[in-house]
This record gives sequence, structure tokens and C-alpha cells, in this order.
Amino acid sequence: GAVVSQHPSRVICKSGTSVKIECRSLDFQATTMFWYRQFPKKSLMLMATSNEGSKATYEQGVEKDKFLINHASLTLSTLTVTSAHPEDSSFYICSARSRDRGLEYEQYFGPGTRLTVT
Amino acid sequence: GEDVEQSLFLSVREGDSSVINCTYTDSSSTYLYWYKQEPGAGLQLLTYIFSNMDMKQDQRLTVLLNKKDKHLSLRIADTQTGDSAIYFCAETLDQAGTALIFGKGTTLSVSS
Repeated sequence: GAVVSQHPSRVICKSGTSVKIECRSLDFQATTMFWYRQFPKKSLMLMATSNEGSKATYEQGVEKDKFLINHASLTLSTLTVTSAHPEDSSFYICSARSRDRGLEYEQYFGPGTRLTVT
Repeated sequence: GEDVEQSLFLSVREGDSSVINCTYTDSSSTYLYWYKQEPGAGLQLLTYIFSNMDMKQDQRLTVLLNKKDKHLSLRIADTQTGDSAIYFCAETLDQAGTALIFGKGTTLSVSS
């Protein structure tokens, strides 16, 4: 159990276009979902925290108008990279925290999405 | 401030034990985690320990926590080539709801 999926796994887009990445909790309901960005040889950087039905909370330095997060249901969150630039190329990973009692300290990660902006 | 530090590389021979170390700065950490990331993949939760515990063992994995020194370690017994990956130490500060704070990861290389 506790599987998180991401779609797509890889995407290549042209500079100036927008890309949407989906994060789904497949067999549990997630109270909170997180979006991370991972740079080569660097740790994961938290971009934003989203709770179902409310606005996402962005970390300092993350542009909310560029990285749009929608958490429409307890099993789906989306990250849209708008007007993508080559510097947005990265590995984006989502995670989800279960609402089930006893599992709230566990965070389950998706497999990641490799975004390349040309 | 919050900071999690790990050594960047560890190289061991197959069959040996691996010990990956991590230090953290925030004494209010509640849970500490170890994640494994294989090339091109997401993170797999290996184990976690509550801050009032000293040790947790799960098959080949042993986690030791020294809360006084804010030091966490992951020992992998009988290391196999399939254990080659990046291992991330992470902490969370609250009861529930906030994100994990990660170290930069330790790349474990296992040679046969």
C-alpha cells in the first residue's frame, strides 16, 4: 500500500510553454502533499506544501505565479510550470502524507518527473 | 536554523557493513528518517525513528540515534551491490503536516 504516482515520468518542452505534472496517491487519502525539486548532487528542496481545498504554501524564493499548485482532491495534486525556461529543468518529486491515524508521520514519495526545457 | 549534514560518499565491499552518518541541528526534531534513492528514481522510505528512541532495527538495517549529540546513523549489514544508491537523512519538526528537511545525501558504492 501507500503508493504515490507521478505523471509524466519524463517531459521535454520548449521554452515559453507550460507543463503540468500530476501527483496521485493511489491507495490512500492524503491530507497534505508536498512538491520538491532536486538538483544534481543536491538535496531535495521543498517548493510548496498543499492541503486539499486550500491554497498552497510556497517556500521562500519559489515563485507562486510560475509554479502553480492545485490540490483538487484528497488523492490528486498538480504542479504546473508556466512559461518554462531552461533553468526550470530539474527533477520534480511529490510526496503525500496519509490522513490515516498512525501513518501521519510517514511521507510517501512519487517516482519523480524529469523536466527538460529546450 | 534547520540543517541536516551527511558525508557525500561511502565506498564498501560486498558483504561488509556500511555505516552512513548524519547530524542535525534542531533539537526539536520529532522524527528522523532514512530514504533510499536509486538512479533516476524517487525516494523509498527505508525506516524512521522517533526522537525518544535510541535504536531501531529492521532486518539488515539498524538506526542509532544519539539525541545529545544530534547524531543519527544507518548501518546496513551484509551490504549487497543492490544497496548502491543515494541515502538521504531527513527530519521533521512537528507533530504532523510540515515537510521533511533533507540532507544532501550519501552516495553508497558497493563493489564486488
